[in-house]
Amino acid sequence: DGGITQSPKYLFRKEGQNVTLSCEQNLNHDAMYWYRQDPGQGLRLIYYSQIVNDFQKGDIAEGYSVSREKKESFPLTVTSAQKNPTAFYLCASSITWRARDSPLHFGNGTRLTVT
Amino acid sequence: SQQGEEDPQALSIQEGENATMNCSYKTSINNLQWYRQNSGRGLVHLILIRSNEREKHSGRLRVTLDTSKKSSSLLITASRAADTASYFCATESPGYSTLTFGKGTMLLVSP
Repeated sequence: DGGITQSPKYLFRKEGQNVTLSCEQNLNHDAMYWYRQDPGQGLRLIYYSQIVNDFQKGDIAEGYSVSREKKESFPLTVTSAQKNPTAFYLCASSITWRARDSPLHFGNGTRLTVT
Repeated sequence: SQQGEEDPQALSIQEGENATMNCSYKTSINNLQWYRQNSGRGLVHLILIRSNEREKHSGRLRVTLDTSKKSSSLLITASRAADTASYFCATESPGYSTLTFGKGTMLLVSP
């Protein structure tokens, strides 16, 4: 079955440590996205990638970094510079960033807790 | 920045009843999409309505769009306990390659 896999489902880290969240898709989609979700809030865009070896900052990129070396993979690193890293992180993909009316396909998220 | 705002924030109904959720937005759009999120899971795309469409159906779902009022509604008919979830609207604006999500409506359907 085609889909998006995020791992791990739960992640615990100490303050001051960097942590990398994995996102892999086998949908052959060009575009990939990282969103952050806080309790009772909507989704806020962290970074997105339109194509391999290219990525753009979203609304809340500070304290995060990404890479897109392979079409299938879009890992997100939460750095120690992110002031409030505890959140639910969602990865998504779409066929192509230029396609209008293209829905997003989501993974099942990684819940990161930093203490 | 968040463009869509759902109303109500929370809705509690009995199985068999209809559930209506509303979404308002601020700027012009290419399309508006509705997503469902079960607790602790990712979002699932439900339905997309383009700016030149007024109504769309998919199974028990009915979506309307009023661009003059910058609002949309999602109606779930004959609700089931399995419909319990949060529902989000998301807008795609001209010139933007990303979606902007609202804060969602939490729907609880009791047996």
